[in-house]
Amino acid sequence: DAKTTQPPSMDCAEGRAANLPCNHSTISGNEYVYWYRQIHSQGPQYIIHGLKNNETNEMASLIITEDRKSSTLILPHATLRDTAVYYCIVRVAAEGGNQFYFGTGTSLTVIP
Amino acid sequence: GAGVSQSPRYKVAKRGQDVALRCDPISGHVSLFWYQQALGQGPEFLTYFQNEAQLDKSGLPSDRFFAERPEGSVSTLKIQRTQQEDSAVYLCASRRTGGDSSYEQYFGPGTRLTVT
Repeated sequence: DAKTTQPPSMDCAEGRAANLPCNHSTISGNEYVYWYRQIHSQGPQYIIHGLKNNETNEMASLIITEDRKSSTLILPHATLRDTAVYYCIVRVAAEGGNQFYFGTGTSLTVIP
Repeated sequence: GAGVSQSPRYKVAKRGQDVALRCDPISGHVSLFWYQQALGQGPEFLTYFQNEAQLDKSGLPSDRFFAERPEGSVSTLKIQRTQQEDSAVYLCASRRTGGDSSYEQYFGPGTRLTVT
C-alpha cells in the first residue's frame, strides 16, 4: 500500500503558483520522496525528488519539512498544460526493485 | 534521445485469448519495471528486472501473467487466457541503474488492453 496521503483534487488559476501537499508520516530516514505527474492517456512523467533538502529544477520546487513527515510540490506559474494527476511517492526499499507505490494522487485542474 | 516505447498502444482481446505486450526501454538502462493501471487508479507494480534477471515478481496477480527480458533489453509481458478484469493500461518503466534506486524511472506511454 502507498505510504502517502494526498488530497484527491485541487484547482489552481492559470499563472498562479500551485502548491500540492503530501503527507508521509511513516517515512524512513533513507527513503526519498518522488513526485510524478500523469497527463491524460500518457505514462507518468518524472518531476522531482528529494531526501532531506529542498530541491528545485526547471519544472518545480520540492519543499520537505524538517521532520520529513510531509512535503509540498510547487509549480511556480501553473499553465493549462499542467492539468494532470500528481503522485507523491515514497520509495520503498524492497529487495531488488525499489518499485514505486503510486496511490491515487491529486488531480490538479488549472483554470483559465 | 529516445524514451521508453511500448507496443501495441491499444489491444483488444477476446476473453480467453493470449496477449503479448512489448516494452523497449531506454538504451543502456539496467532496470525495467512493469505496472498495471486500472481506470481511475494509480499504477500498481507488477514485476521488476535487473538486466535479464527477474528479481521481483510479487505484483503479478496470477500465474496467467508472465514477463521476460531474455537479453536484458526488450521485455515482453504475456497474459494467458485473458479475463475481463485484466482490462487496464500496462505501463513499462526503465531506470538507468540497478542497485542504486535513487534515480528516477522513465515511463512509456502504456498499452491499453481491453478484454471483451
